[in-house]
Amino acid sequence: DIVMTQSPLSLPVTPGEPASISCRSSQSLLHSNGYNYLDWYLQKPGQSPHLLIYLGSNRASGVPDRFNGSGSGTDFTLKISRVEAEDVGVYYCMQTLETLALTFGGGTKVEIK
Amino acid sequence: QAQLVQSGAEVKKPGASVKVSCKASGYTFNIFGISWVRQAPGQGLEWMGWISAHNHNTHYARKFQGRVTMTTETSTSTAYMELRSLTSDDTAVYYCARGRRSFTSGWPMVLWGQGTLVSVSS
Repeated sequence: DIVMTQSPLSLPVTPGEPASISCRSSQSLLHSNGYNYLDWYLQKPGQSPHLLIYLGSNRASGVPDRFNGSGSGTDFTLKISRVEAEDVGVYYCMQTLETLALTFGGGTKVEIK
Repeated sequence: QAQLVQSGAEVKKPGASVKVSCKASGYTFNIFGISWVRQAPGQGLEWMGWISAHNHNTHYARKFQGRVTMTTETSTSTAYMELRSLTSDDTAVYYCARGRRSFTSGWPMVLWGQGTLVSVSS
């Protein structure tokens, strides 16, 4: 199975400041069709996860434009341009290239300093 | 608006089976895929598999093959996930989630149920 590794494990942030989360895969997620099969989810405290970014850099419907996904191959980044208090929670990356074994990263907990 | 409402918490003994339901509303049920994801207490997310509500094709994660069955019932717009031979390691919150585009896979997951806690204990 493709192993997804996120860093950091925990990220204390200051509201209004930028934040960045890294996600690395054990195999390239770049398909021959040019898409990177990498999604980002946020699970706020006590809630179900919800989709932020799909196919590496596409913002899901209703997701604020302060969230941006980038990267290709094995290295990906989720950036929040200006963190807001409502952005706290655990962020997960997920690969969808290996369709019989979709795998999530271990998660990055974002909390306010 | 579109939503997925899951069945209530379950307590099971080791070796038993559990069947979790996921009732859809607010969208055309039989043209989207449904994935199942679980989360052990204090742990991360684990994808279990998905089912096409259109043609009922299923794809199970290798880890769960032989132990899980995912079904859908179009007449009631409900998806089901049955997990057999439960052990304490299966204690988790189980989520159903709908795929983003019709007639494709059960991911990316744009609509999630509220989760169902399954506790396995003797």
